[in-house]
Parts: sequence; structure tokens; C-alpha cells
Amino acid sequence: AQKITQTQPGMFVQEKEAVTLDCTYDTSDPSYGLFWYKQPSSGEMIFLIYQGSYDQQNATEGRYSLNFQKARKSANLVISASQLGDSAMYFCAMRDLTNFGNEKLTFGTGTRLTIIP
Amino acid sequence: DSGVTQTPKHLITATGQRVTLRCSPRSGDLSVYWYQQSLDQGLQFLIQYYNGEERAKGNILERFSAQQFPDLHSELNLSSLELGDSALYFCASTPTELTGELFFGEGSRLTVL
Repeated sequence: AQKITQTQPGMFVQEKEAVTLDCTYDTSDPSYGLFWYKQPSSGEMIFLIYQGSYDQQNATEGRYSLNFQKARKSANLVISASQLGDSAMYFCAMRDLTNFGNEKLTFGTGTRLTIIP
Repeated sequence: DSGVTQTPKHLITATGQRVTLRCSPRSGDLSVYWYQQSLDQGLQFLIQYYNGEERAKGNILERFSAQQFPDLHSELNLSSLELGDSALYFCASTPTELTGELFFGEGSRLTVL
């Protein structure tokens, strides 16, 4: 069974600093995808970044990058130059890409990030 | 805007009642997923449909049921509602089965009083 672990329930970071949100996963499947979603207080789920298990390079999307360490089964999200608007709940998720009929995303419990002015 | 539409956005009802949540996936997306997010909780997978057929089931209660119609929209029916069913219910869709992100709707916030 797949499992996603986010060990930081909450984080406070000074504006303009970089922040790393931790995510570890467990799966025995050879092919999988890792995702990060942002959920602001308004409630919607906003896709941030994706990393495939066979991707050779770490994914980047603007200020977001994913530090993918396959051997350690970690997929940490790095936000550079944090902004007040980054305050939100962040979820790490994994998708099994091997088993037909099992493509759902499994989510971690989330990290609540608060950016301090 | 993800392209996934959920209605209603907010719903307040009483215990014992029945409600229906509706989801229209992105144009062309065949897979629909339903998730439940209780207060301060992560997202729990409920059920998945692909092109009208149930594909996978998660932690969905027997009081809950869902279906996907020929036009690909989906409905989640919640019956005999309890206080603990109060949550944000998300629908998500994806164009292909084995790749890519899930596109989430804005959610339907259900409050059971």
C-alpha cells in the first residue's frame, strides 16, 4: 500500500526566505508520480508541481522546485523567496502509475505554512 | 480555473437528510474522483469513475453512493446524514488514466446541523 508522510504540521517562515516542506513516501511500485498541491484558506486545491519516478532531473515550476531523492523516498518541496501569499496548507501526494484501476492520488496530512512579514 | 465545476458550493442541511453533490469534469476528461476533506484533515479518497464505470473505491460509507452519467458528469449522493459528514467534498478529473495531475474543482462545503 502507498503511504505519504508529512512530518511538519506547521511552519512559520520569514517573508523572502526559502522554505522546505518535507515529504516522504512508501511504495513498492516501480512507476509513480509525486505531486504537491496548495490549499489556501479559500479551500481550492491548486496544483504546484509534479515529479515522475523515472524523471532524471528535479522538477521546477517558477519559485517551486521538488527535491526528489529516490533512494531516500523523499520528495521535498522548496519554495524560494517566500511571499505572504504562500501562506496556505500544502499537501504532498502520490499516484500509482503501474496498476490499472488504481490511479487515485494518496495524500499526506499536510503542512500549514505561515509566512511572517 | 481548473475547468472542473462543482455544485453547490455550500450546503447546509440537517441530520438524517439526503443531499446530492454534482460534478462536471473538464471537457474530454473521462475519469472522475471524489474526495472528502473533514475539518483540519487530509483528503480521503472516496470513489473513482472512468467513462461511466466504477473503477476504484476508497473509504466510502455505505450511506454514500455515486455514479457517472453518459455525459461524464458525476453525482455523489449522501444519505442519512450525520454531523460527522460535515466536510469539504472535492471532485477531480483527469484526461488519461495513468499520467498527469488531477484537476480539482473548488469543492462543495457540506454542513450538517
